Amino acid sequence: NAGVMQNPRHLVRRRGQEARLRCSPMKGHSHVYWYRQLPEEGLKFMVYLQKENIIDESGMPKERFSAEFPKEGPSILRIQQVVRGDSAAYFCASSREPGTGELFFGEGSRLTVL
Amino acid sequence: AQSVTQLGSHVSVSEGALVLLRCNYSSSVPPYLFWYVQYPNQGLQLLLKYTTGATLVKGINGFEAEFKKSETSFHLTKPSAHMSDAAEYFCAVAYGNNRLAFGKGNQVVVIP
Repeated sequence: NAGVMQNPRHLVRRRGQEARLRCSPMKGHSHVYWYRQLPEEGLKFMVYLQKENIIDESGMPKERFSAEFPKEGPSILRIQQVVRGDSAAYFCASSREPGTGELFFGEGSRLTVL
Repeated sequence: AQSVTQLGSHVSVSEGALVLLRCNYSSSVPPYLFWYVQYPNQGLQLLLKYTTGATLVKGINGFEAEFKKSETSFHLTKPSAHMSDAAEYFCAVAYGNNRLAFGKGNQVVVIP
């Protein structure tokens, strides 16, 4: 009964390094969403992907951030040249179908930038 | 644009007392509304949702919420708080392609 799996759970990077966060959706789910949670804030939508396609990246910062969901393997959120402001919890969610609004969330990856 | 307002970032409630968390939304289309709960260092878990039909929605752990279109509200209640209800609660409204707009959350503290 595997839910949405995210790794690593905790990641520490120094300014200028790269961070890669991975997400395996629930079995049978082909829609993946990434959200970011800053301290004292709710979750903010970043990007929505289906297999091999980015459907909506309207919430992604224009620079340094990218996401992919390859045909094989997990979805990856990549942050290049991290800065302290990137420190946050990054949550992945998946759904079986679009339009229902019901998402299943992973436990998150907490990025700390020193 | 869809948005959600949750007032009062921290809510204290005595064990056994009523839990009431307020949520007001803005939506240009008939809304799908959700309440999620987040325990420390965990992901979000769905408490309940409103899509269509009955406006009083029952969820897990004894929580329920009522959709009131005239008030654009979707307040969450539980008649009697339990210590295990201490967590952060988020209201959300769905828009296009399962994207959710979240409120800032309510941190609930239960006082013995």
